[in-house]
Amino acid sequence: ETGVTQTPRHLVMGMTNKKSLKCEQHLGHNAMYWYKQSAKKPLELMFVYNFKEQTENNSVPSRFSPECPNSSHLFLHLHTLQPEDSALYLCASSQGQGQDQPQHFGDGTRLSIL
Amino acid sequence: QQQVKQSPQSLIVQKGGISIINCAYENTAFDYFPWYQQFPGKGPALLIAIRPDVSEKKEGRFTISFNKSAKQFSLHIMDSQPGDSATYFCAASRAYKLSFGAGTTVTVRA
Repeated sequence: ETGVTQTPRHLVMGMTNKKSLKCEQHLGHNAMYWYKQSAKKPLELMFVYNFKEQTENNSVPSRFSPECPNSSHLFLHLHTLQPEDSALYLCASSQGQGQDQPQHFGDGTRLSIL
Repeated sequence: QQQVKQSPQSLIVQKGGISIINCAYENTAFDYFPWYQQFPGKGPALLIAIRPDVSEKKEGRFTISFNKSAKQFSLHIMDSQPGDSATYFCAASRAYKLSFGAGTTVTVRA
């Protein structure tokens, strides 16, 4: 059972659609993260929020727009995506942003762009 | 630029055997080295982690060996079981920023 819940689990969308991914953490953590996982490639950090404030944008294209209304919820708004954006999108959370604050991952949203 | 290089990409081991996964890094500023285990359809889960001032850490059947001078670290899975079949990722971090290896898919045959 995961303390980080992601919805939907699967999403198929066209390149002109607009959709959103949702992440909710039930662990009382203060930091939340979006990662992109593509086959045979390392996980790529996309965005980081700490106490609702964005602290990292890892040169992510503007067609990905994150939103963090509170420390428990994180969204990733998607628009005008490209086929190469098809991947597993993982959300994670941690108590803080120090060395001994492990990141807990959700099970991801599998995104397919037609 | 891939900051953490992981090998092999995949391995097959017999039940009861030893699985060994190797990782190498370049950035000497990294100060925390976790390993994550990921099952199909699930997110990565923290398995074991080590700091660079320690050369070895063991938790159950899982052991991390760390060589600071060589900038290498490895995961050993002793007495491998079919339930250990998963993808394993090494990572290196400075503060909250994790740099992951590309993963190793381990298959344990009964």
